[in-house]
Amino acid sequence: SSELTQDPAVSVALGQTVRITCQGDSLRSYYASWYQQKPGQAPVLVIYGKNNRPSGIPDRFSGSSSGNTASLTITGAQAEDEADYYCNSRDSSGNHRYVFGTGTKVTVL
Amino acid sequence: QVQLVQSGAEVKKPGASVKVSCKASGYTFTSYDINWVRQATGQGLEWMGWMNPNSGNTGYAQKFQGRVTMTRNTSISTAYMELSSLRSEDTAVYYCARGRYYYDSSGYSLLLDYWGQGTLVTVSS
Repeated sequence: SSELTQDPAVSVALGQTVRITCQGDSLRSYYASWYQQKPGQAPVLVIYGKNNRPSGIPDRFSGSSSGNTASLTITGAQAEDEADYYCNSRDSSGNHRYVFGTGTKVTVL
Repeated sequence: QVQLVQSGAEVKKPGASVKVSCKASGYTFTSYDINWVRQATGQGLEWMGWMNPNSGNTGYAQKFQGRVTMTRNTSISTAYMELSSLRSEDTAVYYCARGRYYYDSSGYSLLLDYWGQGTLVTVSS
């Protein structure tokens, strides 16, 4: 079972803001990274570290963290943002092992 | 440009082994870890383990300990993931991904910045 918990699904109106959360004990000590996955495609890194975006990722994607919860926020959601989103971080053993969150399906209405 | 190209789909019988390859290009192969991630149909991502192509050091998720082996051939910039004692629950798309680490004064994270196209492994009698 995953040590990082996400809400299974959220919806957002076009142009509005949505926050996706990821909860787990390891997030008190380690950052999460966030991945977007569209059907039939490999995941794409969208946020890592405190709040860093790889080249090519729109600035409407941002990250934050507090306590045992990491968050990915999409400000001004676009139709192309409809996808599954996964967080990833160290597992709670601290032995250089990692785990993905359970995933959140984002629907843009 | 950075590319990870994986081997083609496989069909295996229960109890057999499968070996998936991941050929890297566009960067120095030995400078970044290779991670393996799998995804069963309609399910989430599952991290399997990492390998340092320079040292050959590995780290596996506890779930796969004893069944998975990650290796490399640096002369051809290729990483391999072998999974043994296959069962139907191992039917999934297997991805390789280049891993690097972000550090600052507050912590660090693994980031998987380039991914292979995925390899479907089907386990069926």
